[in-house]
This record gives sequence, structure tokens and C-alpha cells, in this order.
Amino acid sequence: GQQVMQIPQYQHVQEGEDFTTYCNSSTTLSNIQWYKQRPGGHPVFLIQLVKSGEVKKQKRLTFQFGEAKKNSSLHITATQTTDVGTYFCTGYQKVTFGTGTKLQVIP
Amino acid sequence: DAGVIQSPRHEVTEMGQEVTLRCKPISGHNSLFWYRQTMMRGLELLIYFNNNVPIDDSGMPEDRFSAKMPNASFSTLKIQPSEPRDSAVYFCASKIDSSGNTIYFGEGSWLTVV
Repeated sequence: GQQVMQIPQYQHVQEGEDFTTYCNSSTTLSNIQWYKQRPGGHPVFLIQLVKSGEVKKQKRLTFQFGEAKKNSSLHITATQTTDVGTYFCTGYQKVTFGTGTKLQVIP
Repeated sequence: DAGVIQSPRHEVTEMGQEVTLRCKPISGHNSLFWYRQTMMRGLELLIYFNNNVPIDDSGMPEDRFSAKMPNASFSTLKIQPSEPRDSAVYFCASKIDSSGNTIYFGEGSWLTVV
């Protein structure tokens, strides 16, 4: 079945540093969605990527979809404490999420 | 607009007791998902329904877990008998079933089995 793996599992960064998490699939994805879960909260939709090579930006967040539509990345520029949380990607077929990447920002 | 509504928000129960978690999806959404989240295993998909029919329950850990969706506006996840290893946050989520639609999560049910 379709498997989406995310790395790293954990990341600690100093406030102001950049952060990147990667999502890799064993099969071609029709689209990919990214979600953020704040500590104690529930996952909330951030963005969806559909086209090969697509790049989308939301303020300091940059999302990319690979040319082969098998991988994706989320890059945060100059992290802030409000970025703390767990970031999940999901390839669409079975809507599975996995462990995500837990981001800790040190003030 | 009301989001996905889950109850109870928190439950502490003794091992061996039956636990029933409830979910009301967003009106008009025809896909419903139950997830379990733990530190070790992350966010696991337990089961999902489409138009009230269970489509994939391969994530249900064992026979102690069962889920039903008697109508479009209500679903339950039942654990009987509960065990301490079932302690987790259980999320219900819903979406409109067509490619690319956002999944909306409830706030979760925090279960502790002692």
C-alpha cells in the first residue's frame, strides 16, 4: 500500500534558525497535504500541493512538491516560538499520517 | 459553523471497563475517520467510513475495538474490555469525499485506562 515517511522525527532549533521537514513516498502521490498540530491540540490543515514541482508559500513557510510527486518538503524561515508543534504530511489515498516531525523552538 | 464534535473530551476508566467514544462529523461530510495518537506510534488511522459504510478497518488493533456509524451524523468507537495500553488521544475527523478535500479533526478524546 501507499507509504509516506517523514523525517526527521524530532527537531530542536534556536529561535531564528530555519527548519525543514521532508516527506517521502514509495509511490507517486496524486496530491499531498500538510497539517500542523500544536501541543495539546488537534491537527489543522495548512496547505495542499497538487502539481509536479509546485511551490507554495505562506508567510515564512515554503512548501514544495517534488517533480516526481513522490516527495515534499516544508521549510520554515527564521522560526518563532509560535511554530512549535508537530507537522504532518499525508499522501491522499488512505489519509494516514504517521509520527510527523515534532518541532521545538528554543527562545 | 460547528466543527467535528467529540465526546467525552477526557475519560479516566479502570482496566476491563467498556469505553465508548462519540463523534459527530461536520454536516455534509460523507467520510469519517477515527485515529489514535500516542507518543510511540504517532497518529494512526484506525478505521474510516464512507457514506456510513466501513471502508477500511485494517488499523483497528484487535477485536476489543469496534466502530459503528449508524447514520451520517454520528459514529462511535468502542473499546471492550479496555486495557492500560489503550491510553491515548482518539481523534475523529471528517471530510467531503472527493480528491483534495481538507480533513477536519475534532478536538480529541483523551483516554486514560488505569
